[in-house]
Amino acid sequence: RKEVEQDPGPFNVPEGATVAFNCTYSNSASQSFFWYRQDCRKEPKLLMSVYSSGNEDGRFTAQLNRASQYISLLIRDSKLSDSATYLCVVNIGPGNTGKLIFGQGTTLQVKP
Amino acid sequence: DAMVIQNPRYQVTQFGKPVTLSCSQTLNHNVMYWYQQKSSQAPKLLFHYYDKDFNNEADTPDNFQSRRPNTSFCFLDIRSPGLGDAAMYLCATRLDRGVGTDTQYFGPGTRLTVL
Repeated sequence: RKEVEQDPGPFNVPEGATVAFNCTYSNSASQSFFWYRQDCRKEPKLLMSVYSSGNEDGRFTAQLNRASQYISLLIRDSKLSDSATYLCVVNIGPGNTGKLIFGQGTTLQVKP
Repeated sequence: DAMVIQNPRYQVTQFGKPVTLSCSQTLNHNVMYWYQQKSSQAPKLLFHYYDKDFNNEADTPDNFQSRRPNTSFCFLDIRSPGLGDAAMYLCATRLDRGVGTDTQYFGPGTRLTVL
């Protein structure tokens, strides 16, 4: 089993749609969680950090369920500019190493 | 202003010819990471420096080495590149101040082609 698993997609949605991505992780000791966005041939950029049960930033909402080892990202009112790959990232530690494990990413295509 | 800088952005080398990729940061972060990302795959951690302490991942090939001469700079040396080493190499930094400071900031990456 992969340490961080995501549905690779692609998710093709119309502008204005609401879309949700799921991510599961295997290490129950994981300390913190992130969603990064990566555009084609560019570096990952931090979208959201999740330390407790969830986080919200404008149209983006992340939720964490530690019991089920599951993280989700919800995007409301999708824009064309949201088209990208969304990486689920888990900090598995230990201690202060800050070791991040990346999921394969979920590709989103927002269509006009 | 760029905070994590990688040079060059594109590097072409020949099979077996040593190559060095560089990363510099203006953030004064104490932790620096090198990742390898192949096409359609997740970034994979090769190693990291916590201050001057080098931490190698168990599955990183010996072909990959790193140097951190000071806080600002970190280098990735590939001693004998093979065709399978063609990838995007990402440098990332982090300022460790305890719990809640595990966000990593990525440079734009160096895309390595091996001929």
